Amino acid sequence: DAKTTQPPSMDCAEGRAANLPCNHSTISGNEYVYWYRQIHSQGPQYIIHGLKNNETNEMASLIITEDRKSSTLILPHATLRDTAVYYCIVRVPLRSNTGNQFYFGTGTSLTVIP
Amino acid sequence: NAGVTQTPKFQVLKTGQSMTLQCAQDMNHEYMSWYRQDPGMGLRLIHYSVGAGITDQGEVPNGYNVSRSTTEDFPLRLLSAAPSQTSVYFCASRETASETQYFGPGTRLLVL
Repeated sequence: DAKTTQPPSMDCAEGRAANLPCNHSTISGNEYVYWYRQIHSQGPQYIIHGLKNNETNEMASLIITEDRKSSTLILPHATLRDTAVYYCIVRVPLRSNTGNQFYFGTGTSLTVIP
Repeated sequence: NAGVTQTPKFQVLKTGQSMTLQCAQDMNHEYMSWYRQDPGMGLRLIHYSVGAGITDQGEVPNGYNVSRSTTEDFPLRLLSAAPSQTSVYFCASRETASETQYFGPGTRLLVL
């Protein structure tokens, strides 16, 4: 299964860049890497996704290694409101082989410290 | 657009009771899904639908039924609630051509 591995928790000082790593060593060549975050107990919120090139949007940057076995989400200037659980996600086949699902895993709990 | 809405926000049930968790989206998305989230286990897919009239099982479907009579609505039914179904339930939707999912605010369910 193309699952992900993330550190369970990280701290980051306010105003600094937060770099969240993710390993996805069994990802298939045509599968995207997605990042979502969940603030408190709200529904997960989309951040960014990519295939093999680095991506940037208004929220974050995504750096994917050349072999695509790992990636890093970068929040360039972390604020207190960025405190959340961050999920690195890939698709995995359903056990019933009827389709695919997003594998969320347990994510990284990021705490931004004042 | 209201996005993805879920009702109720919180529900307490007794073992054996039945109920329906409602989910609706106004983005004309074909794909909708239900997840449950338990402490330390991330989100797990319960059921999903690729369009009206089409549903299929996810990773943890036992104890839940779904139907999709319209594009907008995707209710999740618990026929006989069990304490193991105490969880937070999230509904999500996306366009068929996109894998960016939009999540609702969640329903917290407590089964006593």
